[in-house]
Amino acid sequence: GENVEQHPSTLSVQEGDSAVIKCTYSDSASNYFPWYKQELGKRPQLIIDIRSNVGEKKDQRIAVTLNKTAKHFSLHITETQPEDSAVYFCAASNSGGSNYKLTFGKGTLLTVNP
Amino acid sequence: SAVISQKPSRDICQRGTSLTIQCQVDSQVTMMFWYRQQPGQSLTLIATANQGSEATYESGFVIDKFPISRPNLTFSTLTVSNMSPEDSSIYLCSVEDRGSPNEKLFFGSGTQLSVL
Repeated sequence: GENVEQHPSTLSVQEGDSAVIKCTYSDSASNYFPWYKQELGKRPQLIIDIRSNVGEKKDQRIAVTLNKTAKHFSLHITETQPEDSAVYFCAASNSGGSNYKLTFGKGTLLTVNP
Repeated sequence: SAVISQKPSRDICQRGTSLTIQCQVDSQVTMMFWYRQQPGQSLTLIATANQGSEATYESGFVIDKFPISRPNLTFSTLTVSNMSPEDSSIYLCSVEDRGSPNEKLFFGSGTQLSVL
């Protein structure tokens, strides 16, 4: 089955700096890679996703890059703000057919210091 | 996106008892999933709830411990049976929303379970 590794486990940055979280996956058939943000005591919320037919996707301050050959993908947050502080999870899925079963990384606790 | 209602939001249970968690979606969805998130940990898929047939369980999870129902396309239940303290976790249902602009997975608000 799929295995997703996520690094770092914790990340502390100053407000305004950039943050980068990296994930690798093992199953070359995986073709859908979402990122979820989970604030304390709340549900995971999808913030951005990418499919294997593109190499990069951007949404305002958030971007995701995908390297299928190397089987890794990264989340980039620019101009970080204190409200970006949360746990971020990457995930991978083979979305062929109707199956969106996700395998999650272990999460990164991001702290943005004012 | 689909609106997911999950209940109870939290419960404290005694060892050896069972708890049934409900997940209601405001629209018909094809796929529903149940995840477990142990304290400070990532999310682990328990099973896929299939409408009209038995759930599909992941390695390490069995039907006797986590029976699942999926009577229709908007509702599912997960039962945590014969609970022990090791079952203390957050349990989340998740749905694949094919009605969203890009097919995506959304999560319910979770059930925080504490077993004494």
